[in-house]
Amino acid sequence: DTGVSQDPRHKITKRGQNVTFRCDPISEHNRLYWYRQTLGQGPEFLTYFQNEAQLEKSRLLSDRFSAERPKGSFSTLEIQRTEQGDSAMYLCASSLVGREGTEAFFGQGTRLTVV
Amino acid sequence: DQQVKQNSPSLSVQEGRISILNCDYTNSMFDYFLWYKKYPAEGPTFLISISSIKDKNEDGRFTVFLNKSAKHLSLHIVPSQPGDSAVYFCAARHSGTYKYIFGTGTRLKVLA
Repeated sequence: DTGVSQDPRHKITKRGQNVTFRCDPISEHNRLYWYRQTLGQGPEFLTYFQNEAQLEKSRLLSDRFSAERPKGSFSTLEIQRTEQGDSAMYLCASSLVGREGTEAFFGQGTRLTVV
Repeated sequence: DQQVKQNSPSLSVQEGRISILNCDYTNSMFDYFLWYKKYPAEGPTFLISISSIKDKNEDGRFTVFLNKSAKHLSLHIVPSQPGDSAVYFCAARHSGTYKYIFGTGTRLKVLA
């Protein structure tokens, strides 16, 4: 399977704990995105990478959130000191910039529940 | 500031009839528009896209129409099938950042 892969699919954590999610993009894709989706809303942009460089962070991304993409391959999203408001579906997507008509392909998402 | 808007949260259509999902946008810097389909507990799946230099793109039962002057696009599904029942998201790509902005979605229910 050469699609976008996210791990874990589900995560339940206690408030105050740290969590880390992983995303493996489609191998030749140079752009990687993180989105967050809550019930009744569309995916909200969090951050994105061009290769290993993080180009933009949304103001939704507080200091408790950090994302990395070492070597321009997989990416991790870490949330420190989780709060109940962090409960959401975290989506990763990748695309190939530089080719016309490209679309972003999404992974299955990681469902985070903070209790 | 909602740059991509889907004003209809839900839509019900009889099987075999046409489904029309609408989307409005405000930013003139968008160069590509996309439709994604989403089932519960899954990530969005790409359906069809259209460049801002075109006004129509067709793929099988799915057609997307773009009216740039009105900043409006629509997705037509014909004939609608029960398997089309899902949430449909309209998205727009910013030409400068290549960032995708999503609408809030329309839940389509196709009745057998």
